[in-house]
Parts: sequence; structure tokens; C-alpha cells
Amino acid sequence: EVQLLESGGDLVQPGGSLRLSCAASGFTFSSYAMIWVRQAAGKGLEWVSGISGSGGSTYYADSVKGRFTISRDNSKNTLFLQMNSLRGEDTALYYCAKVRTTSGWYIGHWGQGTLVTVSS
Amino acid sequence: DIVLTQSPATLSLSPGERATLSCRASQSVSSYLAWYQQKPGLAPRLLIYDASNRATGIPARFSGSGSGTDFTLTISSLEPEDSAVYYCQQRSNPGFGQGTKVEIK
Repeated sequence: EVQLLESGGDLVQPGGSLRLSCAASGFTFSSYAMIWVRQAAGKGLEWVSGISGSGGSTYYADSVKGRFTISRDNSKNTLFLQMNSLRGEDTALYYCAKVRTTSGWYIGHWGQGTLVTVSS
Repeated sequence: DIVLTQSPATLSLSPGERATLSCRASQSVSSYLAWYQQKPGLAPRLLIYDASNRATGIPARFSGSGSGTDFTLTISSLEPEDSAVYYCQQRSNPGFGQGTKVEIK
């Protein structure tokens, strides 16, 4: 059974940094691209960042480019999101997600999310 | 970037009625479109992929159609548990449409 367990969400001041983690199990982690998706309270889904299975290719939404860095440790089956220069608009529930197959960005599995609040 | 536009924003129907949700792409995505359902307080789940293929465990009352730029998610006979927000997404760009909220009267 695929399991994705996010951690690292917290209350942080504007301009601060946070590192999210996602521990994955139940599948061959290195074979699948992974994604971070966020959702502000009462709002829709926003794709944040994606990374290929090998980690060699990364992708970012314009809203976070230059501030967030996605990475993965395939030896530890863990996905990361380093978030710097945080802003109020980054406040959201952050989901870790696994793509459905080895091609394309359809999401087959989601974690339960970790809450990031950016406020002074 | 391809933009996905969903309509209507909200759909309010009674149990047993048919729901028709639309997703329009700003340029052709062939048949590479997915639909997700998100219930309050829960993570989304995949309903339909490649426009018309139901994901594992999805009831037959959910169906998808379309190609190119115009896509439809149909719920043939609404159940109370279908109250949710539905999002579309294209395969080659992981962005989502803005969602359609389905309310059951």
C-alpha cells in the first residue's frame, strides 16, 4: 500500500525558511516523479513543484521559482521541499503526491498534508 | 503554459440528477486530461485519467469524455456522497483548473 507522510509544517515569520519532508513507502520510490501541491484555506489546488524519479529534473510554479527547492533522497525514500523567503501567500496545506505512472503528471496518491503558516 | 478553465463554479442539484462539469483547455491537450474529486477535509483522489478512463475503485456513475480543448465530467445519478469539489488537470503540465463545487440539495 502506498503511503506518503508529510512533516515539517509550522508557523514561520515572513522572510523565514522551512523544510518539508515526505516519507514514502509501498512503492519503488526512485521510479516515480513526485510533486508538491498546496491549498490555501478555502481555495483551489495549486501545483508547487515537481521532480523526476532520478532527481535530475525539477520543475517549479512561477509563484515559488527562486525561493523553493525540491529534492529527493532515493536511498531514504524521502521527498523534500526547502522553502525560503516565505510570504503570507505561501500559507497553505502542503500535499506530497506521487504520480500515477512513470509518464505524465497525473497524481495517483496523495499524503494528508502538512500545514504551513506564514505570519508575524 | 496551457490554462484550464472549469465551469460552472458551482452546481447545485438534487440526488438522482445528472451533473455535467466542463473543463476547457487554452490549447489542445489531446486526450491527456484527468479529473479529481476532493471532499471537505480530505486529500483529492483521482477519478478519471486520459479523458475517459476511470481510476481504480471509481463508481461507474462517473464518466469522462472529450478531446482537444473541451472535456466533460458526468455524474449520471448524483448520490449525497458526491458533494465535493472537482478539479481537472492535464498530463503534461501539472497545473489544475480552478474547480467546480457540486452541492447536493
